[in-house]
Amino acid sequence: DGGITQSPKYLFRKEGQNVTLSCEQNLNHDAMYWYRQDPGQGLRLIYYSQIVNDFQKGDIAEGYSVSREKKESFPLTVTSAQKNPTAFYLCASSTAGNTEAFFGQGTRLTVV
Amino acid sequence: GDSVTQMEGPVTLSEEAFLTINCTYTATGYPSLFWYVQYPGEGLQLLLKATKADDKGSNKGFEATYRKETTSFHLEKGSVQVSDSAVYFCARGTGFQKLVFGTGTRLLVSP
Repeated sequence: DGGITQSPKYLFRKEGQNVTLSCEQNLNHDAMYWYRQDPGQGLRLIYYSQIVNDFQKGDIAEGYSVSREKKESFPLTVTSAQKNPTAFYLCASSTAGNTEAFFGQGTRLTVV
Repeated sequence: GDSVTQMEGPVTLSEEAFLTINCTYTATGYPSLFWYVQYPGEGLQLLLKATKADDKGSNKGFEATYRKETTSFHLEKGSVQVSDSAVYFCARGTGFQKLVFGTGTRLLVSP
């Protein structure tokens, strides 16, 4: 079955540590996205990539980093510079030139 | 800039009641419009979409019509079920192949 897989589903991080969230898709989509979801604030775009080896900052990129070395994969690193990282993180993908996005099941990150 | 505004929740209804969730968007260009649904602890699923003015998107009894003159894309369902309880997001496409989301509306349906 085609889809987007995010792992892990739950992640706990100690303050000051970097952590990487995985996102893999087998839909052959060119574009991939990372969103952050906080209660009452909807979804905010962190980074997006329209093609391999290229990515752009979204609205809230500070404290995050990404890479796009393969079409199928778009990992997100939450660095220690992110002041308030506890949130629900959603990865999505879409075909080229299309804004209809398909979402993964999300990763809930908690800083302890 | 591009934005989407949707009614705040929660919306609380009894089973079989009529549902309307309002959504308006900024009128920059001719964006595609979407409704996504999120069940507890899960990602977003596309519920329906419309790509041009006067298009009606529909799925699972839900409908929304792309109204360019009022820049609206209200979600409706004639008879809600308990299983429809979820958070609903309205979204619009942008010129940079991105989606802009509203803040979401929680729907609670009681038996």
